[in-house]
Amino acid sequence: GESVGLHLPTLSVQEGDNSIINCAYSNSASDYFIWYKQESGKGPQFIIDIRSNMDKRQGQRVTVLLNKTVKHLSLQIAATQPGDSAVYFCAERDTGFQKLVFGTGTRLLVSP
Amino acid sequence: DAGVIQSPRHEVTEMGQEVTLRCKPISGHDYLFWYRQTMMRGLELLIYFNNNVPIDDSGMPEDRFSAKMPNASFSTLKIQPSEPRDSAVYFCASRPTGRNSPLHFGNGTRLTVT
Repeated sequence: GESVGLHLPTLSVQEGDNSIINCAYSNSASDYFIWYKQESGKGPQFIIDIRSNMDKRQGQRVTVLLNKTVKHLSLQIAATQPGDSAVYFCAERDTGFQKLVFGTGTRLLVSP
Repeated sequence: DAGVIQSPRHEVTEMGQEVTLRCKPISGHDYLFWYRQTMMRGLELLIYFNNNVPIDDSGMPEDRFSAKMPNASFSTLKIQPSEPRDSAVYFCASRPTGRNSPLHFGNGTRLTVT
């Protein structure tokens, strides 16, 4: 029979709109969080990171928000462009460890 | 900066054959990670090294998998014997010392075992 794979949630937006991609994490001991972008046929590419002592960090056209109370992370992309179409992953790192644990990802589709 | 370099980009092999994946980390990075990506399980950490020493190999699926880092500029991930369920994209990533340094990924090796 057909294998069941991960179902990637998909966010479809129009060019120029703002996009918000959400991520829930489960480890309250995580102290560092990163967003990655993965285009087809490529490895994950670093976008922006945030430490647990912050609740907001801004980059170029991107903002990451961290809500430790509900263990929620979001990535906001302003004025979304077709080139932003990709799968976006959040990743977290436990305080006591060096390794990153990745979420399942969200597919962003931007139509012109 | 050439980034993390992986080879080959694609590998197709028959069940039972030995497969060797290669990685050159970014110069000056002393942490190296091997990840596997599948539709079923997403991105999973297999093993990571610090200063060429394996630190955590708890993600290695079974004894058929082994990884080495003979020097700071080269690492290999070997599967022997390979099985169809090993089919996946294997990524190598590196980062410098500094707990809050992001990982830099290569473009992966797509392995197909028939």
